[in-house]
Amino acid sequence: AQSVSQHNHHVILSEAASLELGCNYSYGGTVNLFWYVQYPGQHLQLLLKYFSGDPLVKGIKGFEAEFIKSKFSFNLRKPSVQWSDTAEYFCAVNSPYNFNKFYFGSGTKLNVKP
Amino acid sequence: GAGVSQSPRYKVAKRGQDVALRCDPISGHVSLFWYQQALGQGPEFLTYFQNEAQLDKSGLPSDRFFAERPEGSVSTLKIQRTQQEDSAVYLCASSSTGSGANVLTFGAGSRLTVL
Repeated sequence: AQSVSQHNHHVILSEAASLELGCNYSYGGTVNLFWYVQYPGQHLQLLLKYFSGDPLVKGIKGFEAEFIKSKFSFNLRKPSVQWSDTAEYFCAVNSPYNFNKFYFGSGTKLNVKP
Repeated sequence: GAGVSQSPRYKVAKRGQDVALRCDPISGHVSLFWYQQALGQGPEFLTYFQNEAQLDKSGLPSDRFFAERPEGSVSTLKIQRTQQEDSAVYLCASSSTGSGANVLTFGAGSRLTVL
């Protein structure tokens, strides 16, 4: 079975700091990769996705992620965080050959201090 | 509807009771998923429907868990003889496709607490 590791469980940053959240997955074949975000009191929503093509993916609200196949990684980045980015972030992966099964990491709670 | 709707939002059950959790996906979405999210963890796959067909139920933790989607729209997740370890948020998600380009749209979840 696939697994997804998010190394940072809780990150605290000040506004305008840069953000990088790590995500590694175990599956060796072709994968689809996702970052989902859950703002306080809200449901999970898609931040960005990678299916194929340019490994640098841009999402909503200035977020981006880079797929590095050799490192089995899909790290999330944002150059300058805002207080409104306070949320929990989940990395997820599925395989095009078993697309109905998404594997999620345990999540990273980001707290941005104003 | 505009989004995925789940009910009830909160459910408290005594150990041994049966519970039923409802999911109303986005209209026309082919695929429907149930996930279980324990405290401090990411969502874990339970089961998947394509229209009314349950194509994968490998994530259901025991035979006390049962899901159905009889008409290919609304789905119900039923848990019989609830146990304390069943306490979790149960998430429903739907997708417009049944292909590798699945993008999940989640509901707000049903938080089950078993006393």
